[in-house]
Amino acid sequence: DAEITQSPRHKITETGRQVTLACHQTWNHNNMFWYRQDLGHGLRLIHYSYGVQDTNKGEVSDGYSVSRSNTEDLPLTLESAASSQTSVYFCASSSTGSTDTQYFGPGTRLTVL
Amino acid sequence: AQSVTQLGSHVSVSEGALVLLRCNYSSSVPPYLFWYVQYPNQGLQLLLKYTSAATLVKGINGFEAEFKKSETSFHLTKPSAHMSDAAEYFCAVIEGGSEKLVFGKGTKLTVNP
Repeated sequence: DAEITQSPRHKITETGRQVTLACHQTWNHNNMFWYRQDLGHGLRLIHYSYGVQDTNKGEVSDGYSVSRSNTEDLPLTLESAASSQTSVYFCASSSTGSTDTQYFGPGTRLTVL
Repeated sequence: AQSVTQLGSHVSVSEGALVLLRCNYSSSVPPYLFWYVQYPNQGLQLLLKYTSAATLVKGINGFEAEFKKSETSFHLTKPSAHMSDAAEYFCAVIEGGSEKLVFGKGTKLTVNP
């Protein structure tokens, strides 16, 4: 069965370190998205991609970057982790089209000390 | 810009009672609307979506939602709550001209025995 996976599921890091969160999907979807979930804010879009070599900034992109070298993967990098980036991160993917369902991964809980 | 407002961050019902979770949207164009559910420590799962076909949309687990253009609403209902319905529910709208979702802040549903 097709799926979307994230790794690691839990990560503790220190302020200033570079961190990369992995997202891998086997749906063969063109679209991939990264969100962060914080209490009282719901889900906010960090970055998204509509295809290989395409990346775009979302609502809360400062301090984050992504790259899309193939269809299956969209890694999220925190260049220099900050305590404000402590959050739960979700990756999602969808096929092309505004009505297509976004399928979510299980999430990565990141703690920055 | 499109947005959604979920009225009530917490809703508590008794098992067997009606579930009503409220969502109002703001959109200058006919919207595509979604309800997602998140069980504890899991990713989001699609409950149902409105894509301008039938205004009453049926989803999984006995949930349904009615699109009311005059009220700019897309409330989620279930006639009889079950303990397994306890979760957080998110309403979302597609941002116009894109394939990006804009989420509400979520409503946590508690079901009391």
